[in-house]
Amino acid sequence: GENVEQHPSTLSVQEGDSAVIKCTYSDSASNYFPWYKQELGKRPQLIIDIRSNVGEKKDQRIAVTLNKTAKHFSLHITETQPEDSAVYFCAASKGFKTIFGAGTRLFVKA
Amino acid sequence: NAGVTQTPKFQVLKTGQSMTLQCAQDMNHEYMSWYRQDPGMGLRLIHYSVGAGITDQGEVPNGYNVSRSTTEDFPLRLLSAAPSQTSVYFCASSYLRTSENEQFFGPGTRLTVL
Repeated sequence: GENVEQHPSTLSVQEGDSAVIKCTYSDSASNYFPWYKQELGKRPQLIIDIRSNVGEKKDQRIAVTLNKTAKHFSLHITETQPEDSAVYFCAASKGFKTIFGAGTRLFVKA
Repeated sequence: NAGVTQTPKFQVLKTGQSMTLQCAQDMNHEYMSWYRQDPGMGLRLIHYSVGAGITDQGEVPNGYNVSRSTTEDFPLRLLSAAPSQTSVYFCASSYLRTSENEQFFGPGTRLTVL
């Protein structure tokens, strides 16, 4: 079946450094690629998304890139802050179904 | 606007018991979904609905039933609880009639099956 692989599972960075999380998806018909942030004990919340007709999108310190040929997309966080510490999930959507990656736990050390 | 609400927040069941997890949204969203979240496995889609009276299965539907009698409510029923159903359950909704858009999640229900 369809799947989304996410790496790394854990990422530790120093405050101010950049963090990169990578995902690959199996279904080439996927059209929509959201990223969700989940703080401990909280609900997932959308932080950025990209559609299949766009290669890159940026929102302040967060950017996402998509390579449809390679079926690969990445989240980039620059100038990381302690409040960026959370679990990040990538996902790939097609029609009525969304497949999530297993998540990356990001630690930002002050 | 309360957004997406879920009840209860916590529940403990014995094997074989049945129960219903409640989910409601007040945003007039057409698409609603149920996910379970297990450590190291992300979120997995159980069932979804694209409007009142319309439901379908996701990745892991076995052991669960859903119905959608109104736009607002989308309850999830566990027919005969098993320890493998111990998980955190999230309901979500989206204003488009597909999942190809931001999903708004409820606060979750933590279920333990003994």
